[in-house]
Amino acid sequence: EVHLLDFGGGLRQPGGSQRISCTASGFIFSNYAMHWFRQAPGKGLEWVAGIAGGSDNTKYTYYADSVRGRFTISRDNSKNTLFLQMISLRDDDTAVYYCAKRGPFGSPSYYSFDSWGQGSLVTVSS
Amino acid sequence: IQLTQSPSSLSASVGDRVTITCRASQGISRYLAWYQQKPGEALKLLIFDASTLQSGVASRFSGSGSGIDFTLTINSLQPEDFATYYCQQLNSYPITFGQGTRLEIK
Repeated sequence: EVHLLDFGGGLRQPGGSQRISCTASGFIFSNYAMHWFRQAPGKGLEWVAGIAGGSDNTKYTYYADSVRGRFTISRDNSKNTLFLQMISLRDDDTAVYYCAKRGPFGSPSYYSFDSWGQGSLVTVSS
Repeated sequence: IQLTQSPSSLSASVGDRVTITCRASQGISRYLAWYQQKPGEALKLLIFDASTLQSGVASRFSGSGSGIDFTLTINSLQPEDFATYYCQQLNSYPITFGQGTRLEIK
């Protein structure tokens, strides 16, 4: 069974930094693209960043305009772990952050996210 | 690409049939997925490729559409279906979502 565990959230001041992680199990982590999403309190879902799967493809990363230059997505395939390093945090970065597994490359389900973590709350406030 | 989802909220009764629509600001072929969100639970994929039911999802859920207009239909609502539903496009970056539809018990 696929399982994604988000952790590392907390309270940070504006301008600060935070790293959140997502540990995966139940599938061959390295083979799959992984993404981060977020949901501000009482709001809808927002895509944050993504990273390709495959041992040679981890250089392929994608970012929402709102976080490009401040957030960095990375992965450690040896530890089945996805990371999101956040710097220059702003009040509007306050949200629950979810990691998600993309469907298998080359299949129709590639255009979807079939497993999600429970979320990690990051609060940015002075 | 903007996704306009409607209605934003919906009241219905157990046994009803409901339809949620999602309109894209430009053509996205069939690169659309539908998700269910319940408080305290992980998001659940319902439909991918606009109309393909994810494994393990109840057959009362169905999706249709291509290009710009898409629908999610739930036949014979069950108590566990009262939740918030989102459409998502993966045709191009940035990946975007509709605003969500909150389905409440009447």
